Amino acid sequence: GAVVSQHPSRVICKSGTSVKIECRSLDFQATTMFWYRQFPKQSLMLMATSNEGSKATYEQGVEKDKFLINHASLTLSTLTVTSAHPEDSSFYICSAQVLQETQYFGPGTRLLVL
Amino acid sequence: EDQVTQSPEALRLQEGESSSLNCSYTVSGLRGLFWYRQDPGKGPEFLFTLYSAGEEKEKERLKATLTKKESFLHITAPKPEDSATYLCAVFPSGSRLTFGEGTQLTVNP
Repeated sequence: GAVVSQHPSRVICKSGTSVKIECRSLDFQATTMFWYRQFPKQSLMLMATSNEGSKATYEQGVEKDKFLINHASLTLSTLTVTSAHPEDSSFYICSAQVLQETQYFGPGTRLLVL
Repeated sequence: EDQVTQSPEALRLQEGESSSLNCSYTVSGLRGLFWYRQDPGKGPEFLFTLYSAGEEKEKERLKATLTKKESFLHITAPKPEDSATYLCAVFPSGSRLTFGEGTQLTVNP
């Protein structure tokens, strides 16, 4: 149980395009989903927290107009990187949580912006 | 400010050589402490949740313990497949997870 999927696992795009990443909790309903970013050899950096049906809460320094988060249901959250640039290249990981308990992480999405 | 410090940063062991990883924390009210394992290019895999001092949990060759100031992840007779980065995270009251920087474990055959 407690499986979280992400799609796609890897994406390469041209500078200026937008990329959407999906995060799904497969066998449970998540009250809260989180989006993290991870740079090589570093720990996870929280970008935003989202609850189903409400606006996401972004961490300080994260541009909400650049990283659009939609949490349409208890099993699906999406992160859209708008007008992506090379500096947005990173490893993006989502997690899903039930009632402030353990966070279960997805496998991550590697984004490369050329 | 909530802080999590993991040590050592990197650890090399021979297969079968038991050791421990440390996670020291300073938080304003601990709701839970989590251990995750992360393989290169993958998301963290949940291992344990500890809620109160004195609590211990085991899974195969891993055993996690918790005191009021730190947690240890004990690895008994490790195998090469235990090689990974081990992340510790704390969940303070009314807040979100704060992660340590991780310990990169390498187990040589």
